[in-house]
Amino acid sequence: QAQLQQSGPGLLKPSQTLSLTCAISGANISSNIDAWNWIRQSPSRGLEWLGRTYYRSQWHSDYAVSVRSRITITPDTSKNQFSLRLTSVIPEDTAVYYCARGWAVADWGQGTLVTVSS
Amino acid sequence: DNVMTQSPDSLAVSLGERATISCKSSQTVLSSHANKNDVAWYLQKPGQPPKLLIYWASTRESGVPDRFSGSGSGTDFTLTISSLQAEDVAVYYCQQYYSLPLTFGGGTKVEIK
Repeated sequence: QAQLQQSGPGLLKPSQTLSLTCAISGANISSNIDAWNWIRQSPSRGLEWLGRTYYRSQWHSDYAVSVRSRITITPDTSKNQFSLRLTSVIPEDTAVYYCARGWAVADWGQGTLVTVSS
Repeated sequence: DNVMTQSPDSLAVSLGERATISCKSSQTVLSSHANKNDVAWYLQKPGQPPKLLIYWASTRESGVPDRFSGSGSGTDFTLTISSLQAEDVAVYYCQQYYSLPLTFGGGTKVEIK
């Protein structure tokens, strides 16, 4: 079982960029059987998958259509972590953000409440 | 997107009684090469991330009590708690991981009657 530790700011103004990092222990981000996801949760949208990165001979990323123009998920193999970048945030991006491992997700970060407000 | 629809929205069950939650997917989640349904069940308590209970529709995650069971195939799935305990009060979610985007049901709140 892996442990995922999230870090990053929780308060943003509209149009700013959301940046969160997920540090992994107990697993290798370059594993060729895992995927590393960002998922958010809000009362209005429920649990919403945002995207993932994974390694299969090379790095791949997949993103939800709803955020595809604004999102980047990047692995950092030197630090065994991965990051979320979401640009041009709006109040509707207010949610608890989780990093998570796998497809059926056994390992979750602790969650970061991100509030977008002017 | 594969829409996951859960019912009921909430459920009140007496301690020791059975709780049953339904989840319907708008598309199949049966992986033909593995002959497994790519459906997971989670519980979530306030202030915590979801906790994985069941994957492949019916396989219990390590450490999950055997009062939790999953069943179903194709597009219809069920989570059963055979004898509700006080610590089972939570919101339960189904999820499909057969296709992108990964999608979750809207949740079922389980309470003690």
